[in-house]
Amino acid sequence: DADVTQTPRNRITKTGKRIMLECSQTKGHDRMYWYRQDPGLGLRLIYYSFDVKDINKGEISDGYSVSRQAQAKFSLSLESAIPNQTALYFCATSDTQRGAQETQYFGPGTRLLVL
Amino acid sequence: LAKTTQPISMDSYEGQEVNITCSHNNIATNDYITWYQQFPSQGPRFIIQGYKTKVTNEVASLFIPADRKSSTLSLPRVSLSDTAVYYCLERGSGNTPLVFGKGTRLSVIA
Repeated sequence: DADVTQTPRNRITKTGKRIMLECSQTKGHDRMYWYRQDPGLGLRLIYYSFDVKDINKGEISDGYSVSRQAQAKFSLSLESAIPNQTALYFCATSDTQRGAQETQYFGPGTRLLVL
Repeated sequence: LAKTTQPISMDSYEGQEVNITCSHNNIATNDYITWYQQFPSQGPRFIIQGYKTKVTNEVASLFIPADRKSSTLSLPRVSLSDTAVYYCLERGSGNTPLVFGKGTRLSVIA
């Protein structure tokens, strides 16, 4: 969905480097999420934020940190990248207004390779 | 951990109807059942959602029996472009994020 953008789209880095993945949305949604996907596996939730002042750990937060700089921006950082963090990373947003019918909208993904 | 159970993979020939069934053994009263579709190297996208009985849109139909312990996503006359992973999820309280399991990998064969 073009309303959710991720940068960079592809990144190669070395073990031990700090990197940041950025997500921006123009949908005006309160909620933002970071997921990772490994080959043949589903999506696993890393962190999520229900508003600018709210940050929550997901299923696999170790080795990651996030920053919600504004309603529209949610960044994911790998403080010291390691090879098993090689994966496809997705950002998503959702709108609380629809309650139980809330729908998530995903960005195009960032493919990260840690050497 | 995913709260739902669905087959890991399915194969189908073009033009056939495909039904993917998901188990919702512990679904809560207020939960909606939602299905997402994910093409290779893309993020998942919402395709259909329902609470009970039948819902139909331009992409698929969703059947939910009265006990709501299962749901069936029906894709009419699939084509090669329907090859994707399909996830069933339960959408409940406002403060619980969606949990995606491994989904069902549908392969459509010419």
